Parts: sequence; structure tokens; C-alpha cells
Amino acid sequence: ETGVTQTPRHLVMGMTNKKSLKCEQHLGHNAMYWYKQSAKKPLELMFVYNFKEQTENNSVPSRFSPECPNSSHLFLHLHTLQPEDSALYLCASSQDEGQGAQPQHFGDGTRLSIL
Amino acid sequence: GQQVMQIPQYQHVQEGEDFTTYCNSSTTLSNIQWYKQRPGGHPVFLIQLVKSGEVKKQKRLTFQFGEAKKNSSLHITATQTTDVGTYFCAGHSGAGSYQLTFGKGTKLSVIP
Repeated sequence: ETGVTQTPRHLVMGMTNKKSLKCEQHLGHNAMYWYKQSAKKPLELMFVYNFKEQTENNSVPSRFSPECPNSSHLFLHLHTLQPEDSALYLCASSQDEGQGAQPQHFGDGTRLSIL
Repeated sequence: GQQVMQIPQYQHVQEGEDFTTYCNSSTTLSNIQWYKQRPGGHPVFLIQLVKSGEVKKQKRLTFQFGEAKKNSSLHITATQTTDVGTYFCAGHSGAGSYQLTFGKGTKLSVIP
């Protein structure tokens, strides 16, 4: 139990589908992150939210749309994805009060497969 | 942009042998973190190094941060099968940025 819960754990979708990934953290943290983990590549930071405000968007295609309604919840809305988007999507949170990187706590991830 | 290189990519060791993974950044880091990801699992935070030349130990694991704060290493003494997994370093460039730049990781296999 990491304190960061991601659902669903596995998702298979077609390229024309719309789905959402959900992340919830019970650690009282202020910052939340979406990462993409593909085989043989480093963890790629996609989005960062701090106190519900988006602070980083690392040139992620618009077919990925994040939403952060409060400091405990983070969503990643998916539409018209491509086969190369198949990967493990990890959510993380940290205390992060703007004074430097704090340890990040990761969820178990959503294994996404695009048909 | 900032790049973090990590070597080796893979390491196979006999149980009881030592293991080391190295991390090099293209820029000076504010701090560096290390994570471990077991097969099928998620990255788990191990430690953070902040000071130039800092050395920290966790049982059989020894972490070092270089004097120039551009490189780091993780050394495991007398590996055990429970050490299996991928070890990632992640560098942070400075205050005001929330971005950690991860290395590709070193995947450790331990042969019993």
C-alpha cells in the first residue's frame, strides 16, 4: 500500500475510444505527477500539478488531457490514441512545497494497450 | 535539456557478489534521488542526496554524490535475490522546478 491508488490497473482500448485514468493519493501531498514508462526508455514526465495548478507540461500531445479537481485526485483523459501510446502510466505524488524536489510516491500504474 | 545517463543498462551477478550502478548528469544537480522498481511493480523511493561528496548507507546499499554534483553511484555489497529489480537515479536541477529527470535504469538480475 503506497498511499497512491490508480485505476484501472489494466486498460485495452481502440484508437477511437475515449477513456480516463484515475489517481488518488491519501498522503496529504500537494503535488501530483503523470509519467509514461515505455520499454527501454527512461520514465517520461508528462504533467505536474501543484496545489491543483498545472506547473509542467512536457510537450505532451493533445490527445492526453489532464485534470486535477483537487490536491488528492488526478485524472488523465485519453482520446484518439496511437499504438505508440501503449505503455505503463504511473501517477506519483510528493509533498513539494516549492523548495526543491521531494521524494515521489508512485502508484502501481495503469498498463495501457492500444489496439 | 538536462540529461541523466545511467550505466550499465543490465547487470547479472552471482548471489553474494557486489553490484554498482553509475549515474551522470549533463548539468550540475541540486540533488539526486534513487528509486528501485521490482519486476511488475512501481518505482519506490530509496534515498535522496543533497550535499557535494555526500555518502549515505542503508544496510548493504551505499549511495554517493560526486563532488561536482554531476554524478552519483549506488553500490550493493553481497547481493541477495531480494535485490532483483531496476534501479533508477533521478536528478533535480534546482528550486522552483518540480521536474525530476530519470536515468534509463540498471536492471539487476541475481543468480542464486
